[in-house]
This record gives sequence, C-alpha cells and structure tokens, in this order.
Amino acid sequence: GENVEQHPSTLSVQEGDSAVIKCTYSDSASNYFPWYKQELGKRPQLIIDIRSNVGEKKDQRIAVTLNKTAKHFSLHITETQPEDSAVYFCAASRGYGGSQGNLIFGKGTKLSVKP
Amino acid sequence: SQTIHQWPATLVQPVGSPLSLECTVEGTSNPNLYWYRQAAGRGLQLLFYSVGIGQISSEVPQNLSASRPQDRQFILSSKKLLLSDSGFYLCAWSEGQGNQPQHFGDGTRLSIL
Repeated sequence: GENVEQHPSTLSVQEGDSAVIKCTYSDSASNYFPWYKQELGKRPQLIIDIRSNVGEKKDQRIAVTLNKTAKHFSLHITETQPEDSAVYFCAASRGYGGSQGNLIFGKGTKLSVKP
Repeated sequence: SQTIHQWPATLVQPVGSPLSLECTVEGTSNPNLYWYRQAAGRGLQLLFYSVGIGQISSEVPQNLSASRPQDRQFILSSKKLLLSDSGFYLCAWSEGQGNQPQHFGDGTRLSIL
C-alpha cells in the first residue's frame, strides 16, 4: 500500500523567511496530494491541494510542487508570519472511492515562525 | 455550503465505560465519512471509513466500532473503554466520488481515567 514520508518533523524559521516541507510517496498510482494545517487543539484544515496532471499550484504565499517521476511533492510558504506556526500534514491518495480514495497522511511537520 | 458537526468537544470517561461520539454532515448527499484518532503530538490514524449507509470498513483492529445509521450520520462507539483509547478523535467527510479533499470536524478530546 501507499506510504508517505514527510520531512522535516520540526522546522523553525524567522518571520519573513521561506519554509519548505517535503513529502515522498511510494505508490506511483497516487494522483491527489492535499496539504493540511493544524493549529494547536484545532482541526486540520485544507490549505492547498494538487492533482497529478499539474506540476505546480500557487495560492498567495503558499505553493505546492509535484514531481511525479521522483514521487515527491513539496509545500512552499513564502514571507512567513507568526500565524503560519502550526503542524502541517501532507497526504496522498490513488483512486476513486472505497479504500483507494482514502488519504494516506505523513506524520506532520511542526513549523515555528519566530517574530 | 457543507458543514460538519461533531460532539461532544471534550469527554472524560472512566476505564471500562461505554463511548458514543457522533458526527453529522449537512449540505451534501452520500458523502464518504471517516473517523481518525490523533494521539498527542502525533499524526492522523484512520480508524474507520464508510461509503454509504450501513457500510463500514475498519482500518485497524481495535476496541472501537463505527456505525452509519443514516446517510449523513457517523457514530464511533465502544462497549468498554481502555486507557489507550485516549486521544483526539476527528470525523471527516469527502464527496462520494473521486479523489476529493477531506474536511474535518472540530474533534473530540477524549480522556480516559
């Protein structure tokens, strides 16, 4: 089955710097890759997602890139702000409905943005 | 728009007591529904998912069970709680077809004493 590895587990940056979180997946049939942000004690919230028919997607300060050949995808946050501090999860899924549509999550990256 | 409700927000239960957590979704039909558990500082572990009424798939063997008595209602239960059942329980939904994002409820923080 699918396996998603996420690095780093913790990341500390200065306000205004960029942050990059990387994930690799094992199943070449995976074709949907969402990213979630979870603030302390809160629910995970979808912040951006990408499908395998595109290589990059951007939404304001957040971008995701996908390399299908290498089977990895990354989250890029530019001009980081203290409110970006949270745990970020990547995920992957491969198919339609049933268990094949289930998301496989990485173990999370705790991002700390220092003012 | 679609909304997901999950309750209670927090729960403190003694070991050996029963459990019932409820999740409902509004504004969509035939959603896929999911129960996750998140231990403190850890990732998301999928416990159960459901693609329709009465259809439950279990991802890991455990002390818990799930039921889907109505299209937009998903219930997580236990007959006898264990200390190891403590955690943050999250319900989520997604559109019934295709690779779609999952949307999470606010979660239930369960503490077992």
